[in-house]
Amino acid sequence: NAGVMQNPRHLVRRRGQEARLRCSPMKGHSHVYWYRQLPEEGLKFMVYLQKENIIDESGMPKERFSAEFPKEGPSILRIQQVVRGDSAAYFCASSPDLRQETQYFGPGTRLLVL
Amino acid sequence: KQEVTQIPAALSVPEGENLVLNCSFTDSAIYNLQWFRQDPGKGLTSLLLIQSSQREQTSGRLNASLDKSSGRSTLYIAASQPGDSATYLCAVAEGGSEKLVFGKGTKLTVNP
Repeated sequence: NAGVMQNPRHLVRRRGQEARLRCSPMKGHSHVYWYRQLPEEGLKFMVYLQKENIIDESGMPKERFSAEFPKEGPSILRIQQVVRGDSAAYFCASSPDLRQETQYFGPGTRLLVL
Repeated sequence: KQEVTQIPAALSVPEGENLVLNCSFTDSAIYNLQWFRQDPGKGLTSLLLIQSSQREQTSGRLNASLDKSSGRSTLYIAASQPGDSATYLCAVAEGGSEKLVFGKGTKLTVNP
């Protein structure tokens, strides 16, 4: 059973470009979570999704950030018009059920905005 | 608002020592508490999960305790090894929410 997969592992963008981060949950997992880790900071929750639904986006910046988890395919975190402050590690996690088990984390995508 | 604090921020010990990492949280209405390990440039590996009704969990040389009423958890590592060097993160799952709230971590270095 492959773990949570994220791609790309590293992404470099210039200011104003779009960043698209992908997350494939573990097989059989229908819950996906995105977290952001800024330099020297702890992980911060961004959004929680189930298939085709955003359940909790209380940690998402109001502008430029969006997330989706379509019926088919990976979850996507999209950042439009990136700024240098978006440089961070973005982690995806998945779980099979509500709170029954731990969230399983992917290796992360390191975004660098030049 | 839930806040999670981990002390110390960094710890350096000689190989073979037993050590304790501390985690505190401000709101005791949690569903569970987890300890993770993060290696540089890598993702998070779950070490131990303690449900709110439990007092402790053990896995190998690791033992985690939870005192929900006082808002504290400790991670005990016995007979530390250089391979234990990593950042250890504490996270709580709040009641009524699916999100995890993380501390900033304790960076552990075990010297041979």
